[in-house]
Amino acid sequence: NAGVTQTPKFRVLKTGQSMTLLCAQDMNHEYMYWYRQDPGMGLRLIHYSVGEGTTAKGEVPDGYNVSRLKKQNFLLGLESAAPSQTSVYFCASSYTSGRNEQYFGPGTRLTVT
Amino acid sequence: KNEVEQSPQNLTAQEGEFITINCSYSVGISALHWLQQHPGGGIVSLFMLSSGKKKHGRLIATINIQEKHSSLHITASHPRDSAVYICAAVIITQGGSEKLVFGKGTKLTVNP
Repeated sequence: NAGVTQTPKFRVLKTGQSMTLLCAQDMNHEYMYWYRQDPGMGLRLIHYSVGEGTTAKGEVPDGYNVSRLKKQNFLLGLESAAPSQTSVYFCASSYTSGRNEQYFGPGTRLTVT
Repeated sequence: KNEVEQSPQNLTAQEGEFITINCSYSVGISALHWLQQHPGGGIVSLFMLSSGKKKHGRLIATINIQEKHSSLHITASHPRDSAVYICAAVIITQGGSEKLVFGKGTKLTVNP
């Protein structure tokens, strides 16, 4: 099993450009999450999904959109990138709720210039 | 004030020392996770606990729900334990769902 994978691993965008980050898991997990990690701050939840076809806002959702068309995939979109979105993005999945172990992807380092 | 606070922020130890990392939280929680982030960036789950103590190898995690405090201990520390250790509290929202609130992490460096 690959676990949780993320593509791409690195990306540099110019302000105003758009991109989509892909997260895939092969563990048949219901819950999937997108976090961002910034220096001096803890991981912060952007959006999450509790099942195929569902999405919900987390702590810092502005400027991002998500989709969960298939159970194994969770996409994070930036429609118009801003320098404040420079960060490391982590996807995670879990079988059910927050009390279950979360499995993290390797991260995507995004720089917006 | 953050809902989840970790201390210390940075910790340097000599190989073989006993390590303690602390996590305190200000709201009621249903469980707490301890995670390890390797220098390369990958994050792995170490423990999830809702009461008492759990042990895995040289790692021990304890939690006191009433005192709103958890600790992660590493016995006989080794340079390969060098990493950032993160605690995350499982908080039940007003809507009844659960969310993780993360501490900022403790960077541990173990010197040979």
